[in-house]
Amino acid sequence: NAGVTQTPKFQVLKTGQSMTLQCAQDMNHEYMSWYRQDPGMGLRLIHYSVGAGITDQGEVPNGYNVSRSTTEDFPLRLLSAAPSQTSVYFCASSYSRGIFPNSYEQYFGPGTRLTVT
Amino acid sequence: AQSVTQLDSHVSVSEGTPVLLRCNYSSSYSPSLFWYVQHPNKGLQLLLKYTSAATLVKGINGFEAEFKKSETSFHLTKPSAHMSDAAEYFCVVSVRFNQAGTALIFGKGTTLSVSS
Repeated sequence: NAGVTQTPKFQVLKTGQSMTLQCAQDMNHEYMSWYRQDPGMGLRLIHYSVGAGITDQGEVPNGYNVSRSTTEDFPLRLLSAAPSQTSVYFCASSYSRGIFPNSYEQYFGPGTRLTVT
Repeated sequence: AQSVTQLDSHVSVSEGTPVLLRCNYSSSYSPSLFWYVQHPNKGLQLLLKYTSAATLVKGINGFEAEFKKSETSFHLTKPSAHMSDAAEYFCVVSVRFNQAGTALIFGKGTTLSVSS
């Protein structure tokens, strides 16, 4: 298994440009999520999905869109990049939320380092 | 509301000495708690997790943590530090989010430095 993969690893954008960060997992996990990591802030949840066709907002969703057309893929779109979106982005997945969703380990991808100038 | 507080932003130890990384949490119900480690320019790796079974949890690389409900703490320890333990450590609580999802709430991290 490749686990959780993310592309690209690095990206530089100009303010106002759009792009999509790709995330894929081959573990048949229902639950997928996107986090951003900023210095001194830990990780913060952007969006999450509990299955194909179902997404919802996290703590910091503004400026980002997501969709989940398949179980495997969960892309994150920046519609109009801003310098405040300079960050490291992590995708994560876990087993079905089930009855005890809190106990499931989330598996993280290697991250995408995004710089917006 | 659930939250996690890591009490030290930076901890420095000498190789071979014990490690203690402190974490307090707040949760309105019995939480699931995790410790993740992140080495420089790497992704996140799960060290250990607590999910309401044994209160003393053993993880990888000799780390362990004890869940103390009365103190709302989940401190991470290791008897003897190794140079390869130098990394950033995150204490994490898993919560329901918007009634449908599960989200991880991260502490702000503790940077562990190990000197020879």
